[in-house]
Amino acid sequence: NAGVMQNPRHLVRRRGQEARLRCSPMKGHSHVYWYRQLPEEGLKFMVYLQKENIIDESGMPKERFSAEFPKEGPSILRIQQVVRGDSAAYFCASCGQGGDTQYFGPGTRLTVL
Amino acid sequence: GQQVMQIPQYQHVQEGEDFTTYCNSSTTLSNIQWYKQRPGGHPVFLIQLVKSGEVKKQKRLTFQFGEAKKNSSLHITATQTTDVGTYFCAGSDWSGGSNYKLTFGKGTLLTVNP
Repeated sequence: NAGVMQNPRHLVRRRGQEARLRCSPMKGHSHVYWYRQLPEEGLKFMVYLQKENIIDESGMPKERFSAEFPKEGPSILRIQQVVRGDSAAYFCASCGQGGDTQYFGPGTRLTVL
Repeated sequence: GQQVMQIPQYQHVQEGEDFTTYCNSSTTLSNIQWYKQRPGGHPVFLIQLVKSGEVKKQKRLTFQFGEAKKNSSLHITATQTTDVGTYFCAGSDWSGGSNYKLTFGKGTLLTVNP
């Protein structure tokens, strides 16, 4: 849905660098989800956040990955020391309340060289 | 954990033919949602089914939720080239208290030969 903004749309990083992916939810939405999609795969849940709270990060790798959704500003998915296996499309989705219909952003395609 | 399986993985049809994709969950679902993703695009919400045995229609698309709430199907009548894309089902199971989490199937990629 055009209302959810993600940037950058494409990101290229070398192994060992950091990747920061940003997501601005639809206006009025305070719940954000992050998903990872590998080629020809479905979307894998990573983390679910509300403003200033991480509700469920069970899908996120324990190391190198972190997410936040501050009181002001976009939600950030941060990947430290990227490896080639991190190359994927990362989508965020927002909704008004947990369990509501999720509206997806255009995604960030991360390529690790 | 909950698993959602979708078949077929790929389907190629001639324009005008019908298309069906099937979704099966390892657990009983609270609801199921369907999304469409165009090549290079992002998932777009199509519909949500909640009730056992529910059937909903959107023009040429018919969505069905099984009586046991463990399976679902999407049927497209008389496909058009604009139907090209990957169709995902996604289920949620509220029994564990995590009503917010969707488990996605791997999707069915539909291609249509004009």
